[in-house]
Amino acid sequence: SQTIHQWPATLVQPVGSPLSLECTVEGTSNPNLYWYRQAAGRGLQLLFYSVGIGQISSEVPQNLSASRPQDRQFILSSKKLLLSDSGFYLCAWSPRGTFSYEQYFGPGTRLTVT
Amino acid sequence: KNQVEQSPQSLIILEGKNCTLQCNYTVSPFSNLRWYKQDTGRGPVSLTIMTFSENTKSNGRYTATLDADTKQSSLHITASQLSDSASYICVVSAVNDYKLSFGAGTTVTVRA
Repeated sequence: SQTIHQWPATLVQPVGSPLSLECTVEGTSNPNLYWYRQAAGRGLQLLFYSVGIGQISSEVPQNLSASRPQDRQFILSSKKLLLSDSGFYLCAWSPRGTFSYEQYFGPGTRLTVT
Repeated sequence: KNQVEQSPQSLIILEGKNCTLQCNYTVSPFSNLRWYKQDTGRGPVSLTIMTFSENTKSNGRYTATLDADTKQSSLHITASQLSDSASYICVVSAVNDYKLSFGAGTTVTVRA
């Protein structure tokens, strides 16, 4: 069976510090991968998606970036965090070629920027 | 613009009672509609998924309905339990579109 991992589970970082969140998927190959941010009382916002190694598409202009160094690894980064970067970050995957069908979410990372 | 609206924003029910959550959408061309359950501080977990031709789908005490003509869906929770306390999110996808449309969710609180 497939599983998706995210770490860390929670993170408190000062403004201006760097960020690295990691997501890995097990039990599948060539997945589509996604990063979302969830703000309180609002729907999930798609930040990045990837259809393969090194292939990243950005949805929202921001100070965040994403990378996919391996097939089942997706990393969300920032060089300098802003207060507005606080939120709940979710990684998700879907089988290759199934954009509009099922997406499976990870447990999430709660980021607080102070 | 593809949009998903959920109501109510929140509700409180007594254990053992039933409740119904609503979802209206304007996504086109429609591919499928899903309901997710999200416990506090956790990732969403899929409850049901329905395509255009399906008008009802059940998963235990959860029953989702879809009216593709009026672009409305509902999620009915039967004989609620304390563990049903969570946020319920309606998600709609368009054909061949990687970008899903998410509702803001309905927060359900079940009290003993």
